[in-house]
Amino acid sequence: SAVISQKPSRDICQRGTSLTIQCQVDSQVTMMFWYRQQPGQSLTLIATANQGSEATYESGFVIDKFPISRPNLTFSTLTVSNMSPEDSSIYLCSVVYYKGGVYGYTFGSGTRLTVV
Amino acid sequence: DQQVKQNSPSLSVQEGRISILNCDYTNSMFDYFLWYKKYPAEGPTFLISISSIKDKNEDGRFTVFLNKSAKHLSLHIVPSQPGDSAVYFCAASADEGTYKYIFGTGTRLKVLA
Repeated sequence: SAVISQKPSRDICQRGTSLTIQCQVDSQVTMMFWYRQQPGQSLTLIATANQGSEATYESGFVIDKFPISRPNLTFSTLTVSNMSPEDSSIYLCSVVYYKGGVYGYTFGSGTRLTVV
Repeated sequence: DQQVKQNSPSLSVQEGRISILNCDYTNSMFDYFLWYKKYPAEGPTFLISISSIKDKNEDGRFTVFLNKSAKHLSLHIVPSQPGDSAVYFCAASADEGTYKYIFGTGTRLKVLA
């Protein structure tokens, strides 16, 4: 399976600042996604990270708030901009890969963000 | 509106017995479903999937059942082991090709030794 290294694992940030989360995969993957899990909530898809082009955002999420980069097939970043306490969540990257004739689905270990 | 619901936030089962985790969905367009397991401080781990053309998929101790008419799926773990203690999420997609999934809120399973 694809192995994801997600950094940082956690951070405490001041409101108004920005944090960039990195997701590195050990192999080329078909698709990469960014999710958010707010306290007591289910995982919510933020956007699909597209290689070499702008990310595709889900309803309620915008590029100015959550800029995403994906310069190649193994790496992506999510920035949480101008943070407020409401942005305190776990952020996870997820990949879909094709190997051995089947599709696999993997998540990173997540970034626990606390905004104070 | 929660399109994927896991109405039991927690479940306790004795070791060796069957664990049954349930998931209901409202969108009849959903046609591909996944189950994930999540340990504390780790990301969700893919367990098993099922497409709407099937009503059952089995992988070792894990079996997923899909009842399309009832918009209900369940994950059976037999026999349950203490290492199965985790939070289990079901997820549904209306378009397998996009791999965009809607997740339930999870059920915390505790297997008692």
